[in-house]
Amino acid sequence: EDKVVQSPLSLVVHEGDTVTLNCSYEVTNFRSLLWYKQEKKAPTFLFMLTSSGIEKKSGRLSSILDKKELFSILNITATQTGDSAVYLCAVEPTIQGAQKLVFGQGTRLTINP
Amino acid sequence: EPEVTQTPSHQVTQMGQEVILRCVPISNHLYFYWYRQILGQKVEFLVSFYNNEISEKSEIFDDQFSVERPDGSNFTLKIRSTKLEDSAMYFCASSEGWHTEAFFGQGTRLTVV
Repeated sequence: EDKVVQSPLSLVVHEGDTVTLNCSYEVTNFRSLLWYKQEKKAPTFLFMLTSSGIEKKSGRLSSILDKKELFSILNITATQTGDSAVYLCAVEPTIQGAQKLVFGQGTRLTINP
Repeated sequence: EPEVTQTPSHQVTQMGQEVILRCVPISNHLYFYWYRQILGQKVEFLVSFYNNEISEKSEIFDDQFSVERPDGSNFTLKIRSTKLEDSAMYFCASSEGWHTEAFFGQGTRLTVV
């Protein structure tokens, strides 16, 4: 069974801190790994990673994938209260055919002022 | 910025009733999906849809569920005879290509009483 596990489940830090969120996966096939931010309802897309070792960056957020060790990390530097959200990791476990994402349980990040 | 829109945002229905959840995907997207998230649990894949037919469905998507694209813009999920355990947030998503990032709507919270 395809599985995605995120850690920690919950994290509370102070504004300005740097955080690292982890995502490990076990899937029979692997096509891509995606990170989403879920603030109240809709998961909003952050990154899609398909190749090992290539960092994707958007402002203070960055992410990297290790296909050998089957994990990804999401880094957020100089955190702000607006970064408070649940961060979801999802894997696309299909090479061909329809996309169907397998999600982790999420990391709830709380940034205190 | 284009977005996926879902209506209604919240629906309360009696057990055994039929409900239709509506979605308007992003206009140039060709691939559509439904996911659900039971309170406190992971986001789960239900079904993917392309070219007016189901491409893939999960074990959750049994005979009580159906999807339809009744016109050029709407994409609907019908649950024929709702059960208490169908209570969840239902997310519609769309993507431009089969393996490009999926963009999610705000969700419809379905409460079955």
